[in-house]
Amino acid sequence: NAGVTQTPKFRILKIGQSMTLQCTQDMNHNYMYWYRQDPGMGLKLIYYSVGAGITDKGEVPNGYNVSRSTTEDFPLRLELAAPSQTSVYFCASTVATASYEQYFGPGTRLTVT
Amino acid sequence: GIQVEQSPPDLILQEGANSTLRCNFSDSVNNLQWFHQNPWGQLINLFYIPSGTKQNGRLSATTVATERYSLLYISSSQTTDSGVYFCAVERWETSGSRLTFGEGTQLTVNP
Repeated sequence: NAGVTQTPKFRILKIGQSMTLQCTQDMNHNYMYWYRQDPGMGLKLIYYSVGAGITDKGEVPNGYNVSRSTTEDFPLRLELAAPSQTSVYFCASTVATASYEQYFGPGTRLTVT
Repeated sequence: GIQVEQSPPDLILQEGANSTLRCNFSDSVNNLQWFHQNPWGQLINLFYIPSGTKQNGRLSATTVATERYSLLYISSSQTTDSGVYFCAVERWETSGSRLTFGEGTQLTVNP
């Protein structure tokens, strides 16, 4: 299994541009998550999904949108990028069994200038 | 929401030394995970430990859920142990499982 994969690894956006961060997992996990990590800080939850067609907001959802049309994919959309969205974005997944251990992708480093 | 506090925020060790990292949380949780973020930014699962003690090589962790804390022990530290150690607590809600992260402990192990 490749686990959780994210693309791109790095991206520089200009203010006002849009982009989609891709996340795919091949472990048949039903739960997927998007986090952001600002420099020197822990991770904060942006959005999560408990299954295809179901998404919900986390702590810091403003400025982002998500969709979950398949079990494998959970893209994160940034509309009208702002400098405050400069961060490292992590995608994670887990399966709802007795253990909810989350597995993380390698991250996408985004700079908005 | 639940608060997660980690201490110390920074720790510098000589290779071979032992250390203890602490995680306190403000409310009852269903589970707790420890992660290591290496200098390249990759997050690595260390322990999934709702209670009790687990060991993996030179690392071990203990969670006392009733007293709302967890400890991560690193023995005979190596330079490759450098990075940030995060504690994250899990709460099960009707809409699913959510992790709340602490701010991390930055560990530097010098040769």
